[in-house]
Amino acid sequence: QVKLVDSGGGLVKPGGSLRLSCAASGFNFDDYHMSWIRQAPGKGLEWISHLSGSSYYTNYADSVKGRFTVSRDNAKKSLYLQMNSLRAEDTAVYYCVRGKVAFDIWGPGTLVTVSS
Amino acid sequence: HSALTQPASVSGSPGQSITISCTGASSAIGSYTLVSWYQQHPGKAPKLIIYDVNKRPSGVSDRFSGSKSGNTASLTISGLQADDEADYYCCSSAPSSTLDVLFGGGSKVTVL
Repeated sequence: QVKLVDSGGGLVKPGGSLRLSCAASGFNFDDYHMSWIRQAPGKGLEWISHLSGSSYYTNYADSVKGRFTVSRDNAKKSLYLQMNSLRAEDTAVYYCVRGKVAFDIWGPGTLVTVSS
Repeated sequence: HSALTQPASVSGSPGQSITISCTGASSAIGSYTLVSWYQQHPGKAPKLIIYDVNKRPSGVSDRFSGSKSGNTASLTISGLQADDEADYYCCSSAPSSTLDVLFGGGSKVTVL
């Protein structure tokens, strides 16, 4: 069964850091671009980053550039999002997704709350 | 403010057809075929229902169809059912902007 399970969310103070993880199963992880998409409470979807299968190509939304870093470990079939200098506006459910533009598999999401 | 504009809400009665529009700058939807649509029920992760403008993933009902004309993409839901009540988001690649990927603001579909 093709599946993504994201984890690592929680409550963090402004300026703090958090690392999200995403475990993939049921497909050849190396073959796929992977992305992170977030959704603030009651708001729409926002693409924030993607990473190619070989980790050669990556890009970030301006809202997180310089603060967030995406990485992957193909041997562990895992995707990561290191989030630094967190702000209140980063509060959202973060989804790990398969794909670069058409996102066909989504994790259940992990909630990140940035608050003092 | 999203660079892809969708109506905030669309409604219809069971059995009817509705269309959700998604309008963007020509550098996004107008120039690319990588338009996708997502359905999201409350508290759930989004689900891909249309990709490459008009293709359906395996398992998605053929009541969902997509099209594009100029810089406007559209999602049509025919034979509206109660379970179609959800939020719908369009998405397009936009490499000429500072974002690789753009999402529309979302449309709430209500089945009357």
